[in-house]
Amino acid sequence: KQEVTQIPAALSVPEGENLVLNCSFTDSAIYNLQWFRQDPGKGLTSLLLIQSSQREQTSGRLNASLDKSSGRSTLYIAASQPGDSATYLCAVLRSGGGADGLTFGKGTHLIIQP
Amino acid sequence: DGGITQSPKYLFRKEGQNVTLSCEQNLNHDAMYWYRQDPGQGLRLIYYSQIVNDFQKGDIAEGYSVSREKKESFPLTVTSAQKNPTAFYLCASRVGGSHEQYFGPGTRLTVT
Repeated sequence: KQEVTQIPAALSVPEGENLVLNCSFTDSAIYNLQWFRQDPGKGLTSLLLIQSSQREQTSGRLNASLDKSSGRSTLYIAASQPGDSATYLCAVLRSGGGADGLTFGKGTHLIIQP
Repeated sequence: DGGITQSPKYLFRKEGQNVTLSCEQNLNHDAMYWYRQDPGQGLRLIYYSQIVNDFQKGDIAEGYSVSREKKESFPLTVTSAQKNPTAFYLCASRVGGSHEQYFGPGTRLTVT
C-alpha cells in the first residue's frame, strides 16, 4: 500500500528565506505527483504537477523536483513571503493513472514571519 | 467562471440523520472524487466516479453513498451508519490528459 510522508510537519521561518519541503513515497510506481496549498478552512489549490517521466516543474517562485527511483520529491520556495503561510500537501497517483484517487501526505504547516 | 462548487459550506446534523453534500463542476471533467479530511491526517478517498452512472469505493466508503446521474454532479450522502461523520469533506474532479485533480472549497460537517 502506498504511503506518503512529509517532513517537516511544521516550519516557521523569517520572510525572505528560501526553503525546502520534503515528500517521500514508498511505492515508486507512480503516474504523477501533485503539490497543493491549503489555507485554513479552505479547499486545496493545485500548485505543481510532475508527471512520472519529468524531473522538475517550475511556477514563479516555486520549483518541484521528482526522483521517482528513490521515492522523493521536494518543493522549493524562493524568497518566502508572509502570504506563503499555509499547509502544503503532497499527493501521488499510482502508475496506470486510471480514475484512482490520490494518496496524500499529512502536510507541512508553513509559517512565514514578517 | 469554471470550477467546482460545494454546498453548503457548513452543515450541522443530529446523530442518526442522513445528510447529503452537494458537488457540482462545470469543467467538463469525466472523473470526480470525494475525500475526507480530519485534523492532523492526510485526505482519504471515500468514493470516485469515472463516468456517469458508474462509481467505485475508495479506502473509507463504509457509511457513505454516492450517485452520478449527471456528468456535472456527484453528491455524497453521509448515512447514520458512518460512525464518525464529523469532518471536512472535499470534492475534486480530474483533467483527462494530465490526470491533474482540482478541488472544491469543501463542506465542514458537524454531527452532534
